[in-house]
Amino acid sequence: EDQVTQSPEALRLQEGESSSLNCSYTVSGLRGLFWYRQDPGKGPEFLFTLYSAGEEKEKERLKATLTKKESFLHITAPKPEDSATYLCAVRSKAAGNKLTFGGGTRVLVKP
Amino acid sequence: DTGVSQDPRHKITKRGQNVTFRCDPISEHNRLYWYRQTLGQGPEFLTYFQNEAQLEKSRLLSDRFSAERPKGSFSTLEIQRTEQGDSAMYLCASSLTGGASGNNEQFFGPGTRLTVL
Repeated sequence: EDQVTQSPEALRLQEGESSSLNCSYTVSGLRGLFWYRQDPGKGPEFLFTLYSAGEEKEKERLKATLTKKESFLHITAPKPEDSATYLCAVRSKAAGNKLTFGGGTRVLVKP
Repeated sequence: DTGVSQDPRHKITKRGQNVTFRCDPISEHNRLYWYRQTLGQGPEFLTYFQNEAQLEKSRLLSDRFSAERPKGSFSTLEIQRTEQGDSAMYLCASSLTGGASGNNEQFFGPGTRLTVL
């Protein structure tokens, strides 16, 4: 069974203070690792897909990286509008088309 | 913008009542998924459709839950005899088989928040 663990559970940052979120996973045949952003009371918003170890994707102040066991979401010089819950999910050969999510990291960026 | 839409956005019901939620996927997407999310947790998979065929159901989906996608477009999720433990956000997502990435990113709707009193 696929497993995804995110750490830390919560992160408080000052505006401009860069940091990284961790997503550790155990799957049988990775077919994609996905990062989403979720604002309170809303559905997850797609950010990135990573397919293989060594791959990197960037979008504005966010950069996602992937190894064979974990993924990192780096937030560079965050702004208050980056405050949200960041969710990591995996899709595997064994599990078919469903996504298995971690519990998320709640990020609060204070001005 | 023709993203995924869900209706209603909020539903409050009494224990034992039946409720039905609707999801309209992105128009060209042939796969549709239902997930459930409780406070402080990530979404959990419930079921998914490819066109009108329901291809997979989670063990989480008890007999009180039923989902349909009769014409391969919108989908409904019905919960019969609701229980307090059914209180959650019900999320719908859609994807396109064989998209450019080949990995079928799922795009989520805003969710339906269910509260069972």
